[in-house]
Amino acid sequence: DGGITQSPKYLFRKEGQNVTLSCEQNLNHDAMYWYRQDPGQGLRLIYYSQIVNDFQKGDIAEGYSVSREKKESFPLTVTSAQKNPTAFYLCASSKNGRENGYTFGSGTRLTVV
Amino acid sequence: AQTVTQSQPEMSVQEAETVTLSCTYDTSENNYYLFWYKQPPSRQMILVIRQEAYKQQNATENRFSVNFQKAAKSFSLKISDSQLGDTAMYFCAFMKRTGTASKLTFGTGTRLQVTL
Repeated sequence: DGGITQSPKYLFRKEGQNVTLSCEQNLNHDAMYWYRQDPGQGLRLIYYSQIVNDFQKGDIAEGYSVSREKKESFPLTVTSAQKNPTAFYLCASSKNGRENGYTFGSGTRLTVV
Repeated sequence: AQTVTQSQPEMSVQEAETVTLSCTYDTSENNYYLFWYKQPPSRQMILVIRQEAYKQQNATENRFSVNFQKAAKSFSLKISDSQLGDTAMYFCAFMKRTGTASKLTFGTGTRLQVTL
């Protein structure tokens, strides 16, 4: 079955360390997105990518980095520069030119300890 | 920039009753899409219903329907015959129509509790 896989489901990081969240899709979708979810703030866009080897900053890109070397993969790195990294992170994908909404992964809960 | 406002942080409804969740948005665009997503305790985001702004007819999906008022920039979700499985966070979202990647802008969500 096609879908989006995010791993790991739970992730713990020490302060000052970088950590990478994985997102893989087999839906043949062109675009991929990373959102951060905090209580009372809904979902906020971190980065998005329309095609391979290209990506754009979203509303809260500071302290994060991404790459899009393959169509199927869009990993997100939370760097030590991100001041409040503890959050729930959601990856999504969509087919360009079709405004049917996104398909979401099941999320990664990142906790800084 | 588009903004989406959900003014009801929490709501409660009894099983089998009807509940309406409110959503307003602000945009200067004429062609766009609106969505309601459901996020149950599993935290998986599930698309509930989608509305195209250029269509006058309100979208319906089984027990879920919307009241889309374009001039008022209002997009409410009505859940009929509420079930315990409807307990979840509900997010309203706006998407600008474009030929390439389309960014979704989300509201802050409404937590719905369905009780016996």
